[in-house]
Amino acid sequence: QVQLVESGGGVVQPGRSLRLSCAASGFTFSSYAMHWVRQAPGKGLEWVAIISFDESAKYYADSVKGRFVISRDNSKNTVTLQMNSLTTDDTAMYFCARDGEHPLPHYYFDSWGQGTLVTVSS
Amino acid sequence: EIVMTQSPATLSVSPGERATLSCRASQSIRSHLAWYQQKPGQAPRLLIYGASTRVTGIPARFSGSGSGTDFTLTVSSLQSEDFAVYYCQQYHNRPTFGQGTKVQI
Repeated sequence: QVQLVESGGGVVQPGRSLRLSCAASGFTFSSYAMHWVRQAPGKGLEWVAIISFDESAKYYADSVKGRFVISRDNSKNTVTLQMNSLTTDDTAMYFCARDGEHPLPHYYFDSWGQGTLVTVSS
Repeated sequence: EIVMTQSPATLSVSPGERATLSCRASQSIRSHLAWYQQKPGQAPRLLIYGASTRVTGIPARFSGSGSGTDFTLTVSSLQSEDFAVYYCQQYHNRPTFGQGTKVQI
């Protein structure tokens, strides 16, 4: 079965960086676009970024553009999110999610990891 | 950005009753709408995509309808495990979510 396991969350000071990882298994990882979606404590869901199945395309939410970088390694079945210049507004649970279609993305999410919590605080 | 508005914010229902959740888009999204269920401490779970296509394994009591700007998720007979927060999400443009509807006893 599809499994997505995030790691790398923690407490970080404003202005610092953090790198999140998502390990995928149970499906042909290299055939699917992958996303990051976040959820601030007690709040709703916000799409963050997408990377295409072959890494040829990457898109970001305006709120993170220029600060976050998404990448993937199809040989290791992992997707990462490098988060720079963090602010308190980035405090959230970060979920890795698989796109619902393949290989071209449709931007809905059919499988989710359990999330990794990022807290930005001085 | 397409704004998704869900109503009501909270829905109080008894087990066995029907629940009707609404979602409205700020512009037409055709049928590019998904519904998710989220329980406390868990990741969201995809229920419906394409406005009305139920994901394999999702019980038939969940159904979605609508197109354009107005959409509905119906749970025909609520079971105890259905009490959760439900989110709609459009994927016509850059994905955006509604603020959620909490279905409570």
